[in-house]
Amino acid sequence: NAGVTQTPKFQVLKTGQSMTLQCAQDMNHEYMSWYRQDPGMGLRLIHYSVGAGITDQGEVPNGYNVSRSTTEDFPLRLLSAAPSQTSVYFCASSGERRVSANVLTFGAGSRLTVL
Amino acid sequence: GIQVEQSPPDLILQEGANSTLRCNFSDSVNNLQWFHQNPWGQLINLFYIPSGTKQNGRLSATTVATERYSLLYISSSQTTDSGVYFCAVRLWDQFYFGTGTSLTVIP
Repeated sequence: NAGVTQTPKFQVLKTGQSMTLQCAQDMNHEYMSWYRQDPGMGLRLIHYSVGAGITDQGEVPNGYNVSRSTTEDFPLRLLSAAPSQTSVYFCASSGERRVSANVLTFGAGSRLTVL
Repeated sequence: GIQVEQSPPDLILQEGANSTLRCNFSDSVNNLQWFHQNPWGQLINLFYIPSGTKQNGRLSATTVATERYSLLYISSSQTTDSGVYFCAVRLWDQFYFGTGTSLTVIP
């Protein structure tokens, strides 16, 4: 019962480098999402997915790509990292039944620093 | 989207004191949840409370969906209660978070 697993926990990049943040869940959740958390700004939605093969943009999608080839995995790709993408990233998922669809379960977070 | 506002933004308490955190939301939804982010950054779901009142130990929450607000009560606070408390609501396929209440409990 791992829940939502994010890797890596910490990453330092140079401007212009690319990388992928991994997110996997073992709860058979249909809904998965990525957030970034910056000081004083709460959690902002980057991208989300309501099922395999379906993704959509959130509030702050620029500079990020996602794909959802399986129910379990929802990777977040930074194509060309910028210092403005220095943040803590959280992956979260929720189920599909009426109540569980509204209850988010979070991963432990990934702290990214772009120099 | 929905506007979610939390108050107060910061709170400092002496251990053993009680506190009330508030969350207001701008649209009619019935799916509010409360989270605690501990000092290590982990986000833990405290309550899913679309309406009514729930209690879990020293914590309780009340949501009045018709008036678009929720309250989180912390009684007999402990240092382990420190961290940031967020509320969130879902509208269609997106969750909207408040900016949080940062709680510091002093021994």
